[in-house]
Amino acid sequence: SQKIEQNSEALNIQEGKTATLTCNYTNYSPAYLQWYRQDPGRGPVFLLLIRENEKEKRKERLKVTFDTTLKQSLFHITASQPADSATYLCALDIDLNKFYFGSGTKLNVKP
Amino acid sequence: NAGVTQTPKFQVLKTGQSMTLQCAQDMNHEYMSWYRQDPGMGLRLIHYSVGAGITDQGEVPNGYNVSRSTTEDFPLRLLSAAPSQTSVYFCASSYGAANYGYTFGSGTRLTVV
Repeated sequence: SQKIEQNSEALNIQEGKTATLTCNYTNYSPAYLQWYRQDPGRGPVFLLLIRENEKEKRKERLKVTFDTTLKQSLFHITASQPADSATYLCALDIDLNKFYFGSGTKLNVKP
Repeated sequence: NAGVTQTPKFQVLKTGQSMTLQCAQDMNHEYMSWYRQDPGMGLRLIHYSVGAGITDQGEVPNGYNVSRSTTEDFPLRLLSAAPSQTSVYFCASSYGAANYGYTFGSGTRLTVV
């Protein structure tokens, strides 16, 4: 079966540390992978997009890697802050026009 | 610039009733999608559209209809509501399929009793 897997357990880290979230997929060959942030009661908000031919993408304190051999993307938040606490979702194209999401990982940053 | 607007924000339906969830965007996006979000299951694609007059099924289309008569609007119709359709529904739009980020609405929380 086709799956997009994110760690269902919450990630708890201390303020100032780097948070690393994982997105694994099977049976897909996506051309694009995206990361979103979702706060309680709100819709997801787009953060970053990475293409299959890109190894790494950065935006301010955010970094995304994309390993098509391992079928894995890592999402890093450096110098994390309590305001970064949210659920983070990965998403990828399973064919040209269909875009599927993982179930998300909740990040808790403690002061 | 309103982005993606969904109405209503909350709705309670009785089993067997029908209703339409509204979605409108003012960004001239060609791509629009409907997702449902259930605890522990993430966002699941219901239907999507790549432009006015063109729609297709996603992962969980049964019990739902869509149409796209204009670029701006993409309503989702529940034909005969069932308790299994209790969920939070999100509409999203984008310039492209997966090579652009999606803009989401604030969601409709639907309860079917």
